[in-house]
Amino acid sequence: GDSVTQMEGPVTLSEEACLTINCTYTATGYPSLFWYVQYPGEGLQLLLKATKADDKGSNKGFEATYRKETTSFHLEKGSVQVSDSAVYFCALSGTGRRALTFGSGTRLQVQP
Amino acid sequence: DVKVTQSSRYLVKRTGEKVFLECVQDMDHENMFWYRQDPGLGLRLIYFSYDVKMKEKGDIPEGYSVSREKKERFSLILESASTNQTSMYLCASSPSDQGRLAKNIQYFGAGTRLSVL
Repeated sequence: GDSVTQMEGPVTLSEEACLTINCTYTATGYPSLFWYVQYPGEGLQLLLKATKADDKGSNKGFEATYRKETTSFHLEKGSVQVSDSAVYFCALSGTGRRALTFGSGTRLQVQP
Repeated sequence: DVKVTQSSRYLVKRTGEKVFLECVQDMDHENMFWYRQDPGLGLRLIYFSYDVKMKEKGDIPEGYSVSREKKERFSLILESASTNQTSMYLCASSPSDQGRLAKNIQYFGAGTRLSVL
């Protein structure tokens, strides 16, 4: 079945550092890919998405590119802020499945 | 904005109690979902519903049931709560047809943290 693998956390960075959170997936067909973010005490919010190979999703300075050849969708940001501290989930929407398949989540802590 | 509201943020129940978790969405979405979130395991699908009175089991349905009598409301029921059901429960909704560019975006509630003692 479908699966998503994310890098283990927590990730601790200083403000203005570069961020990469790795995400790889296994799925048949052509899934859509998502990054969701969960701020402390809140539910999940969609951060960005990509629906086909080579698409780049972007939002709030975050980017991720759908790489079918490496089955990856790594999340990147050039300069993180304290307000980016949250848990980040990579997810996919597989063919014929209404629900999303999530990775285990990566906690990001940004220190001033 | 889409709003998904879960009735309780925190619940404390005793082993063997029957527990109801309620979720309401205000955007006329056809699909509604219950996930369970545990550290290191991400979100796992318990049940989902694609229409009133229609439901399908997810990946971990054991010990749970659901009810959808109205389109906007989706309830998760723990028939006899056990300590291994202590977790964060997240409800989500999505429309059936989102078009090619918005495939299967789901909207989440704030979550209910359930403790079973």
